[in-house]
Amino acid sequence: KNQVEQSPQSLIILEGKNCTLQCNYTVSPFSNLRWYKQDTGRGPVSLTIMTFSENTKSNGRYTATLDADTKQSSLHITASQLSDSASYICVVSDPGGGADGLTFGKGTHLIIQP
Amino acid sequence: GAVVSQHPSWVICKSGTSVKIECRSLDFQATTMFWYRQFPKQSLMLMATSNEGSKATYEQGVEKDKFLINHASLTLSTLTVTSAHPEDSSFYICSARSAGRAGNLDTQYFGPGTRLTVL
Repeated sequence: KNQVEQSPQSLIILEGKNCTLQCNYTVSPFSNLRWYKQDTGRGPVSLTIMTFSENTKSNGRYTATLDADTKQSSLHITASQLSDSASYICVVSDPGGGADGLTFGKGTHLIIQP
Repeated sequence: GAVVSQHPSWVICKSGTSVKIECRSLDFQATTMFWYRQFPKQSLMLMATSNEGSKATYEQGVEKDKFLINHASLTLSTLTVTSAHPEDSSFYICSARSAGRAGNLDTQYFGPGTRLTVL
């Protein structure tokens, strides 16, 4: 069964610090991997989307990496801000999978403290 | 980027009533829309796939007679929770699929969600 595992489950850091969130997946075949930010009570918003051949992609202070050989991805947040407090969800696209072709991780709940 | 809206953003209703949630793609046409349900601290769970002009496809365990889906146009899908009960209280999120402009990378855009509370 295709799975996406995220760690840590939750994380608290001080404002201004950096952090890295992890995503391991077993989805195969693999089309692309996405990181979403979901604020409390809101829908997910796309941060990055990477195909099999891409190793890194940045979006402002967010940098995602992908190692398709080890099936691992990370999301690095630089100089965190209070507005970064949210859940970060790793989603792997598998065209042969479910109706939506997506396998969702459970997310990492990030809290930025002043 | 593509925008997907949902209405209402939150709704409180009495047990036994029906609630309709709208999902619109604002600047693109979506032949396929998806409906998800999300419980606190849980991941999004796919409920059904809504295809324009045809019947929705429901995931295993989702009652099609309870969660009515209509995809009347390329920009609008509706989810009606019929005879809602407290256990239906959840966060409902829709998404719309758009054919990507670069490399045909399909992308799904999520709506902002609708918080349903059934008393």
